[in-house]
Amino acid sequence: DAKTTQPNSMESNEEEPVHLPCNHSTISGTDYIHWYRQLPSQGPEYVIHGLTSNVNNRMASLAIAEDRKSSTLILHRATLRDAAVYYCILRALNDMRFGAGTRLTVKP
Amino acid sequence: DTGVSQDPRHKITKRGQNVTFRCDPISEHNRLYWYRQTLGQGPEFLTYFQNEAQLEKSRLLSDRFSAERPKGSFSTLEIQRTEQGDSAMYLCASSLTPVRQGRYGYTFGSGTRLTVV
Repeated sequence: DAKTTQPNSMESNEEEPVHLPCNHSTISGTDYIHWYRQLPSQGPEYVIHGLTSNVNNRMASLAIAEDRKSSTLILHRATLRDAAVYYCILRALNDMRFGAGTRLTVKP
Repeated sequence: DTGVSQDPRHKITKRGQNVTFRCDPISEHNRLYWYRQTLGQGPEFLTYFQNEAQLEKSRLLSDRFSAERPKGSFSTLEIQRTEQGDSAMYLCASSLTPVRQGRYGYTFGSGTRLTVV
């Protein structure tokens, strides 16, 4: 399975943008890049996904490198409610395999 | 539709007892997944169903674990002769079958937290 590499933790100040990086150098041409986040005591929550082009939705933006070997999840204005573990996952046909993710701390 | 529901939210059991968890997926989702998550780790894949067929099982799913989805709707995960190492959050997720690989995301439930004492 293609794997992803993320920093263990990141900090951000409230109201500032956050860029969460993910490396996936062994990505295959058909793997979608998915991002989920997990708040304490809850199941993971879908954030965004993409294949080749950058994607925007109401929660975040996803910037995908031209060679697709890395991507960045962008939270435009971090709030305290964005404090969570963020997972970058390559989704192939049948299932998703999670890594340890990045724990984002948002400081007021 | 209220999303993916899991029952119970919490379960405390004595070692050696059997436990069963239930998952009700989003009604139009034909895929259902079970994951296990221990403290500080990401979710680990256990098994998944396409409708009523169980298509893949992880090596983590020992003989004491069994999952069913009898009518392609709700699913149950049973653990027999529980051990302390089974203490974890058990997560269920559902999705549509991707027409193209990986096209659809998952919707997760809030999980069942199992504590084996």
